[in-house]
Amino acid sequence: AQKVTQAQTEISVVEKEDVTLDCVYETRDTTYYLFWYKQPPSGELVFLIRRNSFDEQNEISGRYSWNFQKSTSSFNFTITASQVVDSAVYFCALSEADTDKLIFGTGTRLQVFP
Amino acid sequence: GAVVSQHPSRVICKSGTSVKIECRSLDFQATTMFWYRQFPKQSLMLMATSNEGSKATYEQGVEKDKFLINHASLTLSTLTVTSAHPEDSSFYICSARQAGAEQFFGPGTRLTVL
Repeated sequence: AQKVTQAQTEISVVEKEDVTLDCVYETRDTTYYLFWYKQPPSGELVFLIRRNSFDEQNEISGRYSWNFQKSTSSFNFTITASQVVDSAVYFCALSEADTDKLIFGTGTRLQVFP
Repeated sequence: GAVVSQHPSRVICKSGTSVKIECRSLDFQATTMFWYRQFPKQSLMLMATSNEGSKATYEQGVEKDKFLINHASLTLSTLTVTSAHPEDSSFYICSARQAGAEQFFGPGTRLTVL
């Protein structure tokens, strides 16, 4: 069965600190997709990244970076030099190739203080 | 990116009434639309998947007679919560996708049943 675990319920940091949000997944499929979404207080989900299971290259986009390691079934997300606007709930999600369903983790609430 | 809208954004109703929520893909044709429910401080749970012109597929534990889903066109899906009760109060989020593409999420509808 598919499962996404985000062990960190809440993280608080001070602005300019780096922060890593952990995501561990379970799936029996060899082809799958991993996602990160940001949900600010307004509630709307903001897409951040999609990564397929065959691409283990790390990705960097501005202050965001993602580390995908199949050996540990992890897809961690790092925000460098965090800002107050980064405060939100972040969800990691998994989708298997033969279904379109997104399985979400429980989310990590990030609070960045000035 | 693709835009998905939801209407209304917020609704308050009395117990026993029915509420209809619309989900529209504004600039693309969505072959598949998904409905999620999110209780406060919890993750998104998939309720059902709907493909244009066919019956929705409901997740285990979701009552299809209570949550009526209609996907009449490639740009519109509706979720009707029938005979709503206070325990149905939640944040309902839809997403839409074209074949082979990722899901784009609507801004959500906050339902409060008194």
